[in-house]
Amino acid sequence: GNSVTQMEGPVTLSEEAFLTINCTYTATGYPSLFWYVQYPGEGLQLLLKATKADDKGSNKGFEATYRKETTSFHLEKGSVQVSDSAVYFCALSMRGSTLGRLYFGRGTQLTVWP
Amino acid sequence: EAGVAQSPRYKIIEKRQSVAFWCNPISGHATLYWYQQILGQGPKLLIQFQNNGVVDDSQLPKDRFSAERLKGVDSTLKIQPAKLEDSAVYLCASSSSWGQANEKLFFGSGTQLSVL
Repeated sequence: GNSVTQMEGPVTLSEEAFLTINCTYTATGYPSLFWYVQYPGEGLQLLLKATKADDKGSNKGFEATYRKETTSFHLEKGSVQVSDSAVYFCALSMRGSTLGRLYFGRGTQLTVWP
Repeated sequence: EAGVAQSPRYKIIEKRQSVAFWCNPISGHATLYWYQQILGQGPKLLIQFQNNGVVDDSQLPKDRFSAERLKGVDSTLKIQPAKLEDSAVYLCASSSSWGQANEKLFFGSGTQLSVL
C-alpha cells in the first residue's frame, strides 16, 4: 500500500540552526510528494511539493528533493527562525489517480528557541 | 480569498451521543475532503466528494459515520453514536481541481472532538 514515515519528534532547535526532518515513503506507483505545515491554531498549509524524481520543492527557505532511489523527501532549512515553530507533515498522492487523496505521515513537531 | 470554514471549533460529548460538524469550502472548489486526525497521528481520509457525489468513502466507518454535501457546496459530517476512539480533530479540506494527484488542498482549522 501507500504510506509515509516521518522521523519522530519533537525537534527542538536554537534560532539559526540547521533543520532536517526525514521522510520516507512506500507507494504502489509513482507518487507526488508534499510537505504541509500546521502553525498553532491554524489549518494545514502546503509548504512545498515535488511531482517527479530529482525535482526540488522550495518555499520560505525550506527545501526538499524527491529521491526515487532512496524513496525519500527530506525537509531542510539552513537557518530556522522562531516563527518556523509548527508541526510539519510529509504526504504523498498518487500520480495518475483521479482521486487526489493525500497519505500523511504522523507529523513532526518543531520548536525553535530564540 | 476566504478560507475553508469549519464549525464548531471544539466539541465535548459523552459516548453514545451524536455530533455533527459543518464545513464551508472555498467558493468554487469542486472537491471536498473530510480527514480524521487522531492525536500523534497524521490525518486520515474519511470521505471525498466531487461536487455533491461521493468518490471515496472506503475509510468511513459507515455504521456510525455519515456525511453529505447537498448542492455541492457545504458539507456536514455526523457521528451517531460516538465512541471514545472517535476523539480526534476533524479536518475539512477543499481543492479546485478534479482530484488530481498534484493538486493543492486548502484546509480548515478543524473541529476538535472529545468523547468522554
